[in-house]
Amino acid sequence: NAGVTQTPKFRVLKTGQSMTLLCAQDMNHEYMYWYRQDPGMGLRLIHYSVGEGTTAKGEVPDGYNVSRLKKQNFLLGLESAAPSQTSVYFCASRPTATDTQYFGPGTRLTVL
Amino acid sequence: KNEVEQSPQNLTAQEGEFITINCSYSVGISALHWLQQHPGGGIVSLFMLSSGKKKHGRLIATINIQEKHSSLHITASHPRDSAVYICAVRRRETSGSRLTFGEGTQLTVNP
Repeated sequence: NAGVTQTPKFRVLKTGQSMTLLCAQDMNHEYMYWYRQDPGMGLRLIHYSVGEGTTAKGEVPDGYNVSRLKKQNFLLGLESAAPSQTSVYFCASRPTATDTQYFGPGTRLTVL
Repeated sequence: KNEVEQSPQNLTAQEGEFITINCSYSVGISALHWLQQHPGGGIVSLFMLSSGKKKHGRLIATINIQEKHSSLHITASHPRDSAVYICAVRRRETSGSRLTFGEGTQLTVNP
């Protein structure tokens, strides 16, 4: 099993550009999460999904959109990137039966 | 004030030392997690606690629900234990079983 994978690993964008981050999991997990991690702050939840076709806002959803068309994939979109979105983005998934989340390796995004 | 506070923020130890990292929270919780973030960035779950104590190898996690406090202990520390240790809580009645994270404790163990 590959676990949770994220694509791409690194990306540099210019202000105003758009991009999509892909998270994929092969563990048949129902729940999936997108976080951002910034220096001096804990992981903050952007959006999450409790199952295929469902999404919900987390703590810091502004400027991001998500989709969960297939159970194994959770996409995070930035429609018009801003320098404040420079961060490391982590995806995580978990099964219904346990609280333990399984994290992807992260995507380092820089917005110039 | 953050709902989850960790101390210390940074900790340097010599190999073999006993290490304690603390986590205090200010909300009612149904579970507390300890996670480890490796220098390369990967995050793995170490423990999930709702009461008492858990042990895995040289790592021990305890929680005191009444005092809203948890500790992570590392016995006989080793340089490979160098990482960021993160405390996270699941608040009671949180939709989607979302977690609230502390800022992390950077641990460096010198040989």
